[in-house]
This record gives sequence, C-alpha cells and structure tokens, in this order.
Amino acid sequence: DTAVSQTPKYLVTQMGNDKSIKCEQNLGHDTMYWYKQDSKKFLKIMFSYNNKELIINETVPNRFSPKSPDKAHLNLHINSLELGDSAVYFCASSLRDYTEAFFGQGTRLTVV
Amino acid sequence: KNEVEQSPQNLTAQEGEFITINCSYSVGISALHWLQQHPGGGIVSLFMLSSGKKKHGRLIATINIQEKHSSLHITASHPRDSAVYICAVNNMDSNYQLIWGAGTKLIIKP
Repeated sequence: DTAVSQTPKYLVTQMGNDKSIKCEQNLGHDTMYWYKQDSKKFLKIMFSYNNKELIINETVPNRFSPKSPDKAHLNLHINSLELGDSAVYFCASSLRDYTEAFFGQGTRLTVV
Repeated sequence: KNEVEQSPQNLTAQEGEFITINCSYSVGISALHWLQQHPGGGIVSLFMLSSGKKKHGRLIATINIQEKHSSLHITASHPRDSAVYICAVNNMDSNYQLIWGAGTKLIIKP
C-alpha cells in the first residue's frame, strides 16, 4: 500500500530524448515536491506544488517542467535530455508546506 | 562551511549498541527532519521536530533550538538499521526551503 509512488524506478535513455517521470500520492497531502539527488548524495529541491499551484521553482533548466493534473499527482517532464541530467530523482509529499515529508522510492535516470 | 553539518560521516557499530548521530545547523529554522535512506535508495521520513523530543520505537530524536543542535539515537541497534541517516532543516531565512546534511552512513554488524 505505497504512500508515494514513482514510475519508472529506472530509466535509461539517449541524449536529446524527452522523458517523463510520474508521481502519485494517496495520503491526501496538499504539497508535493521533486528533488534531485546528485552524485555526492545531496538532495536538492527542484519544484514544490501546493494544491496544484507552483510555490517553489528552484533554478533548474527550462527543459524541466512539472505538471500537476490534480493534487495527488506531480509529474516531471524533461525535454532534450543531457548527460548531466543523470541522477536519482525523488518525489515527495507533505500534508502542508514544510511539514513531515514522505518520499517515493526514487527514479534513477541515466542519460547515455 | 555547510549550513547543516552532520557527524560522524561514517559509523560502524556492533548489534545492540546505542547509536548517536548529531546534526548542527547555522540558520534559523522552522523545523528539522531526520530521514533514512536504505542501500536500495528509498528515503523514509523518520521525524520532524520543532522542539523537544520525539520517540518512535527504538528511535529517539531530540532538538535544542538555542544550541542549534539535534541528535538521533538508536537503542538496541540491529543490522537492519544499517542505512544513511540524513538531517534536513527548513530555513526560515530562505522561504523555508530544505537544507540537507551530507548524511551519516551507519553500518551495524551482527
């Protein structure tokens, strides 16, 4: 009974492709996040949505675009993938802004 | 200097030992989080603290706001506790964004 689920878990793709990572939470939370974990294992926030509205948009390339069709879903679309986009991407949700967050399993993206 | 510092970076202990992981921060915070990341990569949120102490099973988390310090304790440690433990804070001075520590890699030997 997964609380925050991401798909796919692994994604290998070629440079220049466009790909999406899906995230769904069944916790009834209002806020969802996308994080990128770099090679040094630091987690950096990319986007935060509260009730389908963007509230945090860190300095990420325009090639990254979040889409929130409803408050239970926050998908991440990446256009024109580059080698440097290879990382693990985590989706998370919390009841409200800045309360305890629950994380998805992560999606390991490898761009070749 | 990182705004969130964890110590130790690596910790190896025998099963049954009492474990302490420390987190110090230098910014004003609204909350502090302890998270656990398993070798498979999944992250689990353990605690969110704004003051005092919380306990969940064998895990205890404390925070001292005046000293800007938090500790995560594990009692009667078990090999399944082996993971990376991460401290993160909501920075009041930066729109409550999360600032992450580098993590503490814990290995519990049977």
